[in-house]
Amino acid sequence: ILNVEQSPQSLHVQEGDSTNFTCSFPSSNFYALHWYRWETAKSPEALFVMTLNGDEKKKGRISATLNTKEGYSYLYIKGSQPEDSATYLCAFLYNFNKFYFGSGTKLNVKP
Amino acid sequence: DAGVTQSPTHLIKTRGQQVTLRCSPKSGHDTVSWYQQALGQGPQFIFQYYEEEERQRGNFPDRFSGHQFPNYSSELNVNALLLGDSALYLCASSLALASGGPNQETQYFGPGTRLLVL
Repeated sequence: ILNVEQSPQSLHVQEGDSTNFTCSFPSSNFYALHWYRWETAKSPEALFVMTLNGDEKKKGRISATLNTKEGYSYLYIKGSQPEDSATYLCAFLYNFNKFYFGSGTKLNVKP
Repeated sequence: DAGVTQSPTHLIKTRGQQVTLRCSPKSGHDTVSWYQQALGQGPQFIFQYYEEEERQRGNFPDRFSGHQFPNYSSELNVNALLLGDSALYLCASSLALASGGPNQETQYFGPGTRLLVL
């Protein structure tokens, strides 16, 4: 059983704060890492698919980096807004088609 | 363009019963994966179907079985339900690579079916 860990478990920030979370995964047999945003009562929504060491991806105020050699990825949110409140999940692709998810980081942005 | 749909949205069963959950993938997608999410945990991979066959399986007992139809829709069946099977069951669809390589493509998730076993 592979270990994919996310930290912190939860985060409370004020509107306008910038924040970041970590996803740690095994550094061997890496194929891809996916980030998802999951708002309450909705479906998980794909944010980024990261495949190469050193990858940096950006979508609006959200960005992510990847280090496959040391087995971690960071997700950054610049100038958090209340609508960013959600659980952020990472998923490590192992063995071609099997994804291992972390437990998520629950972000709450207070207006 | 309809996204991934799942039915039913909620279900209550008793121990020992059997349940069937259904998933229709996003239009154009041919691969369906099923996940179980227990409270406080991340989704756990159950299995993946492609070309009507189970292509990959997670750490779940044989009580969990599935099927994929020619139109790519899929069913998840759970027999002899246990209290611990209570969870949110998510379906995700994607498009397999023509090269047959690792499934690095974006997965699209449905809203899930919440199963409660009493």
